[in-house]
Order: sequence, then structure tokens, then C-alpha cells
Amino acid sequence: SQTIHQWPATLVQPVGSPLSLECTVEGTSNPNLYWYRQAAGRGLQLLFYSVGIGQISSEVPQNLSASRPQDRQFILSSKKLLLSDSGFYLCAWSVGGVNQPQHFGDGTRLSIL
Amino acid sequence: ILNVEQSPQSLHVQEGDSTNFTCSFPSSNFYALHWYRWETAKSPEALFVMTLNGDEKKKGRISATLNTKEGYSYLYIKGSQPEDSATYLCALLNYGGSQGNLIFGKGTKLSVKP
Repeated sequence: SQTIHQWPATLVQPVGSPLSLECTVEGTSNPNLYWYRQAAGRGLQLLFYSVGIGQISSEVPQNLSASRPQDRQFILSSKKLLLSDSGFYLCAWSVGGVNQPQHFGDGTRLSIL
Repeated sequence: ILNVEQSPQSLHVQEGDSTNFTCSFPSSNFYALHWYRWETAKSPEALFVMTLNGDEKKKGRISATLNTKEGYSYLYIKGSQPEDSATYLCALLNYGGSQGNLIFGKGTKLSVKP
């Protein structure tokens, strides 16, 4: 069966520090991968998605970047965090097709001080 | 910008009550509508993926209907139980293809009192 691992679960970082959140998927090949953020009082917002190794698409301009160095690994990064980067970050995977659900990791709570 | 609206924002019901809530979305260029349940301290869990106008799906005491022409979906819970307490999210697939990019509503937070 497929599983998704996301870490760390919580993170407290100072403004201006770098960020690296990692997500890995097991039990499936060539998944679509997604990074979402939920900021306070808002719905889940898609940040990045990837349909294959090295292929990253961004939905919103921002201070973050994503990379997919391996088929089942998706990394969210920042060189310098801003206060507005605080939020709850979720990684998800799916297989192709309009009738396929997305499967989410447990999330990372990121607080910027 | 596509907007997905959910109402009500929150709902408090007694155990045994049946309840329903709404997801509204733009009806043009519809591909699919997803429903997820997000319990506190857990990850969102897929409930339904609906693609056809008039579709009705059921999972235990939870069911959902879809009207793509008028742009809404209802989620029903029959005989609510405390374990149904969660935030229910709907999400619109904004175009077809392999990516499956979803636009989420803010959710309806359901609290079921024993």
C-alpha cells in the first residue's frame, strides 16, 4: 500500500533563516506531487505541483521554491523565511486522472518568529 | 480567479442529528469535485470524487450530490456521531489532464455533541 511521509511535524524558525521540508512517497511510481499551505483563516492553497522528476510548476508567486530530485521525493525550500511564510504545510500525492483523489501527509506546522 | 465557497463555516449538532452543508463553485469548465474530511491532528482524507452532473455517492452514513449546471454540491451526514466531528473540505478540479490541481474551499467545521 502507498504511504506518504512528511517531516518535521513542527518547526519554529527565525525570520531570514532557510527552510527545507521534505516529503517522500512509498508504494507508487511516478506520482503527481503537491505542496499546499494553509495560512490562518484561509483555505488550503496550492503552492507547487510536479508531474515528474525535475518538473515543478508554481501556482502563486512567493518566497518559496520546490524541487523533485527523485521520483518520490518532493522538497519545499526557502533561502530566507518571511513572517508571512508561517502556516501549515501539507504534501500530497495522486495518480493521474480527473477521478483520482489526492492523498495527504500529516503536515508541518511552521512558525516564524 | 476561481472561487470555491462552503457554507456554513461551522456547524454544531447533537449526536443523532442529520446534517448537510454546501459547496458552491463556478459551473463553467467543470472537471471534478472532491470532498475531504480533515480531523484534528490528522491529515485530510478523501471522501468522494464526483465527476458527473446528478451524481450521488455514498460512504456509510455520508453521502454527496452534485449539480454541475448550477455549480453546487451537498454533503449529507445521517445520524451524526461524535467521531464525525471534523472539517469537511470541498475542492474543484480546475482543469483536466494529469496534474489534478485542486482549488479548495475554506471548509465547514462540524462539531457533534454526545
